[in-house]
Amino acid sequence: DAGVIQSPRHEVTEMGQEVTLRCKLISGHNSLFWYRQTMMRGLELLIYFNNNVPIDDSGMPEDRFSAKMPNASFSTLKIQPSEPRDSAVYFCASSSRDSPLGYTFGSGTRLTVV
Amino acid sequence: TQLLEQSPQFLSIQEGENLTVYCNSSSVFSSLQWYRQEPGEGPVLLVTVVTGGEVKKLKRLTFQFGDARKDSSLHITAAQPGDTGLYLCAPVSGYALNFGKGTSLLVTP
Repeated sequence: DAGVIQSPRHEVTEMGQEVTLRCKLISGHNSLFWYRQTMMRGLELLIYFNNNVPIDDSGMPEDRFSAKMPNASFSTLKIQPSEPRDSAVYFCASSSRDSPLGYTFGSGTRLTVV
Repeated sequence: TQLLEQSPQFLSIQEGENLTVYCNSSSVFSSLQWYRQEPGEGPVLLVTVVTGGEVKKLKRLTFQFGDARKDSSLHITAAQPGDTGLYLCAPVSGYALNFGKGTSLLVTP
């Protein structure tokens, strides 16, 4: 099992540009979580999908952020337009129906907006 | 609003020493998880504690869930450099985990 795969690992972009982060879930997992990690705020839940449906997006900071899950194994998190304060490490995690709180995290995408 | 505090925030010790880190909350939880995060990687689940007063051991790591299910501790015996990382507690409340800011542990040879 390849685990949760995130891409890219690092992204440096200029303020105002669109950024798309990608996540491939573990096969058979049905829940998907996007988190953002910063030194100041720690790990913050952005959005939670269950069976491809967004259940809770209350953690998405602004309308500039959007997330999709076009199929059962793939998700994207888009920031448009990006701002320097969006700089953080973005993680996705997935879990299965049999172990809904046994999260498996990806290695994260380190985003720097200059 | 749930208040979750982890202490200490940073800890630097030498190989062979023992240490304890804490996770405290103002709320009662059905269960609690501990994760370890190494630099450049995502958090990895270490353990889930469910019952008040429960103690679980994972090699040199001992996890305890408070009797009132509002706090937890992680004790490491004879720390090794491989224990270096960020230790995160995550009380279970609802469908998603909300993490503490963690304790950053550095174990030097």
